[in-house]
Amino acid sequence: DGGITQSPKYLFRKEGQNVTLSCEQNLNHDAMYWYRQDPGQGLRLIYYSQIVNDFQKGDIAEGYSVSREKKESFPLTVTSAQKNPTAFYLCASSPLGGGWGNQPQHFGDGTRLSIL
Amino acid sequence: DAKTTQPPSMDCAEGRAANLPCNHSTISGNEYVYWYRQIHSQGPQYIIHGLKNNETNEMASLIITEDRKSSTLILPHATLRDTAVYYCIVRVGSGNTGKLIFGQGTTLQVKP
Repeated sequence: DGGITQSPKYLFRKEGQNVTLSCEQNLNHDAMYWYRQDPGQGLRLIYYSQIVNDFQKGDIAEGYSVSREKKESFPLTVTSAQKNPTAFYLCASSPLGGGWGNQPQHFGDGTRLSIL
Repeated sequence: DAKTTQPPSMDCAEGRAANLPCNHSTISGNEYVYWYRQIHSQGPQYIIHGLKNNETNEMASLIITEDRKSSTLILPHATLRDTAVYYCIVRVGSGNTGKLIFGQGTTLQVKP
C-alpha cells in the first residue's frame, strides 16, 4: 500500500550527538515536510521541500538539517546545536498540482526522540 | 492564515452522530477548511477538506456555512475508535509554504 514510512519509531540521543530520522514515501508526492510536536502542543514546521535538491527553512529550523537527494526520501538530522530535541517528529508529503490549498498533506506515524 | 476556534472537548455516545464545530470568522476567500485527527502517539490523519461547498467522503461530512465563518465536521456513526483529537485548520490556497497550522483541537471522547 502507498504511504509514508518513518523510522525508527523511538530514538534516543546522547548529549552532543547528531541523529538522523528517516522518512520515505511511495506516494509519488513532490512536496515533503518535517514537523515537530511537543506534548499538548500543535505542530511546528521545521523544513519543507517542493522538489528534489531544493528545500526551505520552516519556522524552527535552527539545530536541524535536511537533504532531498531523491523524490521519495527526506531525512532529517537533529544536530547537537538543537538544545531541546526531545519531541515527536512527524514527516508529511503532498502533491503540488492545483495549488497548496487543495492538496492534503499525509503524515507518517512519527519518531519519538528522547535525550539520554 | 486565518485562526480557528474549537471547543476543547466533547463527548459522544457510540453509534450516534458526532458534530464537531469550528469557528473561522477571519477566513479569506481562497482559504480551505481542513480537518485532521490524531490518535495518541500516531501521526495526524487527514479526514476531509472543502472551500465553499459541503463535502462528504467515506469518513465524514463537512458542512460549511454560507458566509464561511464556521464549519461542522460530522462523523455519522461514531465508534470507540473515533476517540481522538480533532483539528480544524484553514489554509491558504497558494503562495505560502503550504504548512498546516494545528491549534489545540477538540478532544472527542466516544463512550459506550
